[in-house]
Amino acid sequence: DIQMTQSPSSLSASVGDRVTFTCRASQSISSYLNWYQQKPGKAPKLLIYAASNLQSGVPSRFSGSESGTDFTLTISSLQPEDFATYYCHQSYGTPFTFGQGTKLEIK
Amino acid sequence: QVQLVESGGGVVQPGRSLRLSCAASGFIFSDYIMHWVRQAPGKGLEWVAVISYDESKKHYVDSVKGRFTISRDNSNNTLYLQMNSLRPEDTAVYYCAQSSGRRNGAFEIWGQGTMVTVSS
Repeated sequence: DIQMTQSPSSLSASVGDRVTFTCRASQSISSYLNWYQQKPGKAPKLLIYAASNLQSGVPSRFSGSESGTDFTLTISSLQPEDFATYYCHQSYGTPFTFGQGTKLEIK
Repeated sequence: QVQLVESGGGVVQPGRSLRLSCAASGFIFSDYIMHWVRQAPGKGLEWVAVISYDESKKHYVDSVKGRFTISRDNSNNTLYLQMNSLRPEDTAVYYCAQSSGRRNGAFEIWGQGTMVTVSS
């Protein structure tokens, strides 16, 4: 199975900060990497697909990049509504797997 | 609008069965691969099962193989998850999700989730 490792597990930041989340795959997954945002009591929401493509309707302050098996999600300027948990997900092959999540908290 | 609505969750004793449903609307259901994903209380997301457009292909996470069955009814735009021999560790919110080749298999649309509690 492909293991997805996210870091950090939690992060404190302030409105206006630039933040970066990291996700590492245990093997090559090409660009089959996606990022989701989840708020308490809600379903996950797709932000980025295929490593760097912004989902329709998602603000442009979100961006994704890849380097080999390392993937990053960046929020260029945090807004109050961005405080949530973020998950990476590989759709390269079954069993599809998620990272353990990064909880973004207000500093 | 595009929507997925799960139902069928509840409290069930260990060893018993439950069937979840996911009603799709606002898109051509038969054009999409469908998934079940679960989330135990306070935990992360775990993919459970996937089914192809025509039910010809199904895959499961190891922990549910032989106990859970994913199926779909394209004429009624509904996805199902039959869960047998339930265990306490199956307690979770269960989400159905739609994926598309246009998005590299990303889960583009999610339902609101239905809670399954396995407890005596």
